Amino acid sequence: DVKVTQSSRYLVKRTGEKVFLECVQDMDHENMFWYRQDPGLGLRLIYFSYDVKMKEKGDIPEGYSVSREKKERFSLILESASTNQTSMYLCASSPSRSGVFQETQYFGPGTRLLVL
Amino acid sequence: AQKITQTQPGMFVQEKEAVTLDCTYDTSDPSYGLFWYKQPSSGEMIFLIYQGSYDQQNATEGRYSLNFQKARKSANLVISASQLGDSAMYFCAMREKTGFQKLVFGTGTRLLVSP
Repeated sequence: DVKVTQSSRYLVKRTGEKVFLECVQDMDHENMFWYRQDPGLGLRLIYFSYDVKMKEKGDIPEGYSVSREKKERFSLILESASTNQTSMYLCASSPSRSGVFQETQYFGPGTRLLVL
Repeated sequence: AQKITQTQPGMFVQEKEAVTLDCTYDTSDPSYGLFWYKQPSSGEMIFLIYQGSYDQQNATEGRYSLNFQKARKSANLVISASQLGDSAMYFCAMREKTGFQKLVFGTGTRLLVSP
């Protein structure tokens, strides 16, 4: 079974803190993704990566950065957390960069971040 | 414009009945794929079913089927014989060929199955 794990299920941080959200997948997937999920807005893509040290902006990258130093690990960084970054963050991975069209993404359990 | 539209914020269904969750999409790309995911209260997104734009038949996976109407650009999820465990958020998503491996998600529908 594909396993995508996220470092925390719940996180409480203060405004201005630097926040790291970690995601690890154990299936040698090339692609990794970070989404945020807000009620009424669905999932929105923040950043994704198709290879080590490679990253691409998604639809809402402002206020976030990412790091992928190893294939299995993809980190989301909030340089200076703000209250409007309170959200559910979901990490996902998929097998290959040029994979078959029906290739699904595999999701982690999510991290609920509260910024006070 | 919204790429994926789910107009039902919430749906109720009685156990053992069928329910249809609506999804319409917008794309000019002839090659695309449509996905449905289930998100229980635990938070993890679970892949349910896939339909490709060139697939001739509607996709089915157990109790899940996809009512794909290409001309109307709709891809509704049908859950037959609902179970209490089907209570969850359901998301429709689309992958366009030009969009690399990215998925675009709708806003979701919360389904509540009552005994």
